[in-house]
Amino acid sequence: GAVVSQHPSWVICKSGTSVKIECRSLDFQATTMFWYRQFPKQSLMLMATSNEGSKATYEQGVEKDKFLINHASLTLSTLTVTSAHPEDSSFYICSARVRDQRGYTFGSGTRLTVV
Amino acid sequence: RKEVEQDPGPFNVPEGATVAFNCTYSNSASQSFFWYRQDCRKEPKLLMSVYSSGNEDGRFTAQLNRASQYISLLIRDSKLSDSATYLCVVGSSYKLIFGSGTRLLVRP
Repeated sequence: GAVVSQHPSWVICKSGTSVKIECRSLDFQATTMFWYRQFPKQSLMLMATSNEGSKATYEQGVEKDKFLINHASLTLSTLTVTSAHPEDSSFYICSARVRDQRGYTFGSGTRLTVV
Repeated sequence: RKEVEQDPGPFNVPEGATVAFNCTYSNSASQSFFWYRQDCRKEPKLLMSVYSSGNEDGRFTAQLNRASQYISLLIRDSKLSDSATYLCVVGSSYKLIFGSGTRLLVRP
C-alpha cells in the first residue's frame, strides 16, 4: 500500500532554532501533501497544503514565514519550523491523498519539543 | 461551532460490548466521510470510509445521514485492542476536517 515516510519521529530543540521535518511518498507520487498539527487531547488541525512545484496554501492563522513548506518534487515535502518557541511544541503529521483511493495516508508524525 | 463535532468520551465498556459513536458536521457541501482510528502518540489510520448506503467491515458498521449531517460508527463484540481514539473525518473539496475524537476504553 501507499506509504508516507516521515522523519524525524521526534526532536527536541532549543528556542530560537529551526527544525526541518521531511515527508516522502515511497511508492507513489504525492502531488499534494497536507501538513497537520495536533496538540494534546485536541484534533488534527490543517496548517497548510503543499503542491509540487508551487507555493503552499496556508490556513488562516498559520504564519507562512514561520512554517516554511517546500514541495520540490513529487515524492518529497518538507516543513521547517523557524525560530521555534515552546508553544510550537506539538505533534506534526503529513498526509497525502492516494490516487484512486478515497482515503488519505499519513506519515508517522513528528513530536517536536522546544525547550 | 466546530465543523465536525464528536462526544469526547471516554466510553468505558467491557469486552464483548457493542458501542456506538456519533458525529455531526456543519458543511452540507461535504463530499467524503471517514472514520479513522488513532492510538496514543501515533498517526491516524483509516478505519473505514462511510457511504450513504451504510457499510460494514467485520465488527464495524458505519452510517451516513446526509439530510441530518450525521455520521455513526457501531462496534460490535468489542475487543481490548479496540481501545483507541476514533476520529470522525469529513472531506470538503481537497481538505479533511477532523473531529476531536472519541476515546474508547475496552476493559477485560
